[in-house]
Amino acid sequence: AQKVTQAQTEISVVEKEDVTLDCVYETRDTTYYLFWYKQPPSGELVFLIRRNSFDEQNEISGRYSWNFQKSTSSFNFTITASQVVDSAVYFCALSEAQGGSEKLVFGKGTKLTVNP
Amino acid sequence: ETGVTQTPRHLVMGMTNKKSLKCEQHLGHNAMYWYKQSAKKPLELMFVYSLEERVENNSVPSRFSPECPNSSHLFLHLHTLQPEDSALYLCASSQDWRGGPVTQYFGPGTRLLVL
Repeated sequence: AQKVTQAQTEISVVEKEDVTLDCVYETRDTTYYLFWYKQPPSGELVFLIRRNSFDEQNEISGRYSWNFQKSTSSFNFTITASQVVDSAVYFCALSEAQGGSEKLVFGKGTKLTVNP
Repeated sequence: ETGVTQTPRHLVMGMTNKKSLKCEQHLGHNAMYWYKQSAKKPLELMFVYSLEERVENNSVPSRFSPECPNSSHLFLHLHTLQPEDSALYLCASSQDWRGGPVTQYFGPGTRLLVL
């Protein structure tokens, strides 16, 4: 069965610090997709990134970067020079590429608080 | 971002009430989803519709009844709910997955309190 583990329940940092959010996944599929979503206090899940299992290149988008390591089944997310607006709950998710329907399996989320 | 909208944003209802949650997507997608987010629990997928046909029902109690009249609208009809049904209900939409990998886009959610 698919499973996503975000071991860090809550993280608190001071503005401008770098912070890494961990995500470890389990799947028997050879083709799968990994996602990160951000949920600010308003409630909406905001899509951040999707990676497929065949592409292990790290990705950078502004202050955000993602490290995908198939060998350790991890897909970690780093925020560089954190800002107060980064405060949110961040979810890692895994989906199957095939099947009767599209299913996203979410981790329990990591609550990030960035203090001024 | 107003790609997926949900109304109402907040709802308080008694256990004997009947209410409906509405979701509308403006992204040209043809698949829609209902999720439940309770405190301290992962997001739970409740229902999936693709091309207005229900393709997934994750053992959700019958007091939750979905309706998808067209590819842009999704409803969740609620009746005789229990206090443990209090949660954030999130709607999402995507392209149909049979065309390849998809990304789900979420609405802001309806925060439901059952008294």
